Amino acid sequence: SQTIHQWPATLVQPVGSPLSLECTVEGTSNPNLYWYRQAAGRGLQLLFYSVGIGQISSEVPQNLSASRPQDRQFILSSKKLLLSDSGFYLCAWSTGTGNTIYFGEGSWLTVV
Amino acid sequence: DQQVKQNSPSLSVQEGRISILNCDYTNSMFDYFLWYKKYPAEGPTFLISISSIKDKNEDGRFTVFLNKSAKHLSLHIVPSQPGDSAVYFCAASYNNNDMRFGAGTRLTVKP
Repeated sequence: SQTIHQWPATLVQPVGSPLSLECTVEGTSNPNLYWYRQAAGRGLQLLFYSVGIGQISSEVPQNLSASRPQDRQFILSSKKLLLSDSGFYLCAWSTGTGNTIYFGEGSWLTVV
Repeated sequence: DQQVKQNSPSLSVQEGRISILNCDYTNSMFDYFLWYKKYPAEGPTFLISISSIKDKNEDGRFTVFLNKSAKHLSLHIVPSQPGDSAVYFCAASYNNNDMRFGAGTRLTVKP
């Protein structure tokens, strides 16, 4: 069966510091990968998606970036965090032909 | 651009009664709709889905209804249980790369 894991689960970072959230998927090949953010009191916002290694599409202009160095690894990064980057970040995957997205456990980021 | 809208941020229901969660969408290209359930500090879990060729899909206590002409879907939970208390997200997509979510509705089922 397929599993998705992201880490760290919680993170407190000062403004201006870098960020790296990692996500891996097991049990499937060539998944579509996603990063979502849930800000306080708001819905799920799609940040990035990837259909293959090195292929990244950005939905929202921001100071975040994503990379897919391996087929089942997705990384969310920032060089300098802003206070507004605080939120709950979710990695997700889907098959190339299916329409259901499956989410990881989420990572709480607090920028102070 | 809020293409998927859940206009009720919260809903409170008595245990054993029906919970009805509503969702509206604006993009007529959407052809697949899903409901996710989310507990605090956890990732959303897939609950039930429906494609645009159907108007109803049922799975146990959960039923999703789709009204394409009104661009509206709803999730019915019967009977509601305290463990159903969570935030429910409606989602819609028209290709595998672009799924849009509503803002969520917090359901509280009171014992």
